[in-house]
Amino acid sequence: QKEVEQNSGPLSVPEGAIASLNCTYSDRGSQSFFWYRQYSGKSPELIMFIYSNGDKEDGRFTAQLNKASQYVSLLIRDSQPSDSATYLCAVNPHPMNRDDKIIFGKGTRLHILP
Amino acid sequence: GAGVSQSPSNKVTEKGKDVELRCDPISGHTALYWYRQSLGQGLEFLIYFQGNSAPDKSGLPSDRFSAERTGGSVSTLTIQRTQQEDSAVYLCASSLAVRSNQPQHFGDGTRLSIL
Repeated sequence: QKEVEQNSGPLSVPEGAIASLNCTYSDRGSQSFFWYRQYSGKSPELIMFIYSNGDKEDGRFTAQLNKASQYVSLLIRDSQPSDSATYLCAVNPHPMNRDDKIIFGKGTRLHILP
Repeated sequence: GAGVSQSPSNKVTEKGKDVELRCDPISGHTALYWYRQSLGQGLEFLIYFQGNSAPDKSGLPSDRFSAERTGGSVSTLTIQRTQQEDSAVYLCASSLAVRSNQPQHFGDGTRLSIL
């Protein structure tokens, strides 16, 4: 059973600080990794994707991938109250796997304290 | 349209009735996914389509649930003899293809309430 694990939170971070969200996955052959943001009552919205080991930056967001440790994280710099949401980690398994659908973690609730 | 379109946005119905939920994926996306999300919970995978075929129906909760997709585009999720535990938001997502590195894009969902 392939799994994607996230701490459910809530994670409380002061406004202006860095929020660090973590995700681990069980399928070592996984190829692509996504972060979605879901506001309460809304549908998930893609905010970042990463395919290679290392860091990928987009504005205030940085995704970090370490395939050896099977670990992907999302950093949010200069956190704003509008960043308060649930963040879902999603992992795409190896393309040759028969069970080839994206697997979502249950999400981490982030609360930015004004 | 530019995004995934779902209808209706809200549906209230009586226990025992049948409901049909519709999803129109992003143009050109061959993969289509259905999820269910109860209040405060994570995404529960129901079924996915690659083209018109559904290789994985493992997430359908019971035989009251069925889904189809025709013409490689619009999909309908049907729930027969609805029960109160079916109340949830039903989300549809599409991607360029299964077995690709492309992300899924979600519609706004259908909020289903069973009285």
